[in-house]
Amino acid sequence: DAGITQSPRYKITETGRQVTLMCHQTWSHSYMFWYRQDLGHGLRLIYYSAAADITDKGEVPDGYVVSRSKTENFPLTLESATRSQTSVYFCASSELGGRHQETQYFGPGTRLLVL
Amino acid sequence: SQQGEEDPQALSIQEGENATMNCSYKTSINNLQWYRQNSGRGLVHLILIRSNEREKHSGRLRVTLDTSKKSSSLLITASRAADTASYFCATEEEDSGGSNYKLTFGKGTLLTVNP
Repeated sequence: DAGITQSPRYKITETGRQVTLMCHQTWSHSYMFWYRQDLGHGLRLIYYSAAADITDKGEVPDGYVVSRSKTENFPLTLESATRSQTSVYFCASSELGGRHQETQYFGPGTRLLVL
Repeated sequence: SQQGEEDPQALSIQEGENATMNCSYKTSINNLQWYRQNSGRGLVHLILIRSNEREKHSGRLRVTLDTSKKSSSLLITASRAADTASYFCATEEEDSGGSNYKLTFGKGTLLTVNP
């Protein structure tokens, strides 16, 4: 049971380039989330998705795009990377949502450096 | 916006001692969860306590919730070096304005257990 995986685990890119971070879960969980983790800010929600083809903005969505064509995949794209997007990105999934939220399961993270 | 806020930011204890971390939040919640993050890894769910519960146990973990004070505490008894990690509280806000769901994480407490 692979669970939730992220790729790449490490990425170095340059300002202005487009970058896509991949997230894949094998549980068929309905909900998926993207967070960024920065020193002094903790985890902040970028985007989340309640089901395939349903996505919504989180706390810090600017500069990011998501899609969810299949339940198991939730890619995050930085359309034109900026240095301020240097961070550790975590994907998570959850079986339930709404008023019955349960555990979120996190991937191992992607460390992104924008030069 | 940060909902949960952990206190202290860092805690250093000796193996065998108990560790207590606190979390305060601002708005009414449906539930509060505690997560653990080892260095360089994703977050792992520890325990969930619902708004109508006051105390919950799981192994060496004890969580309390005081909704009147909008606060929670996580107690780890008989700590081990392997408990060294960052600990985060996360809250699901009550009636976040729709059927979709969001967890809001605090900035975490870094616990160091010295052998």
